Amino acid sequence: KQEVTQIPAALSVPEGENLVLNCSFTDSAIYNLQWFRQDPGKGLTSLLLIQSSQREQTSGRLNASLDKSSGRSTLYIAASQPGDSATYLCAVSYNAGNMLTFGGGTRLMVKP
Amino acid sequence: KAGVTQTPRYLIKTRGQQVTLSCSPISGHRSVSWYQQTPGQGLQFLFEYFSETQRNKGNFPGRFSGRQFSNSRSEMNVSTLELGDSALYLCASSLAEGVPGELFFGEGSRLTVL
Repeated sequence: KQEVTQIPAALSVPEGENLVLNCSFTDSAIYNLQWFRQDPGKGLTSLLLIQSSQREQTSGRLNASLDKSSGRSTLYIAASQPGDSATYLCAVSYNAGNMLTFGGGTRLMVKP
Repeated sequence: KAGVTQTPRYLIKTRGQQVTLSCSPISGHRSVSWYQQTPGQGLQFLFEYFSETQRNKGNFPGRFSGRQFSNSRSEMNVSTLELGDSALYLCASSLAEGVPGELFFGEGSRLTVL
């Protein structure tokens, strides 16, 4: 069974701290992996997309890495801000369509 | 450029009724997929449409159905509603055709079944 797991489920950090969110997947035969952000009651905002042939992607203060062999991805957030408070979800694509398998998410709280 | 638009944003139904949700993808996107989000099960894939054809289907009962029109707009229908169908239903569109690409989500339709 193809499963995606995110640990921890919740994280609270002081403003300015660098932090790492983890995502693991059981089947390494992926097409790509995406990180999303979701604010309460809202839809998902795409943060970074990593193709299976890539090792990392960067956007501003965000850096996502992918290690297919170990079935892991990390999302690094530098110099965290209260506005970064949200739930972060990783999702894996296993087939040729746009069908994603999601992790349970990490709820991040950045305290001023 | 307009994003993914979902209507209605909120709706309340009673058990046994049916509901239709609508999704307008980003202009030029031909792939539309639907997801159900609940506190207990998280985000689960329902189905994906590409050029009016269902390309993938998740593990949901036949009460859940969908379709896509020639302008790429999509609808999903849930018949004989159950309490457990209460959820946020999210639609996503993608430009990618042959290989999976970046998905862009709408704000969702929040369904409450009483």
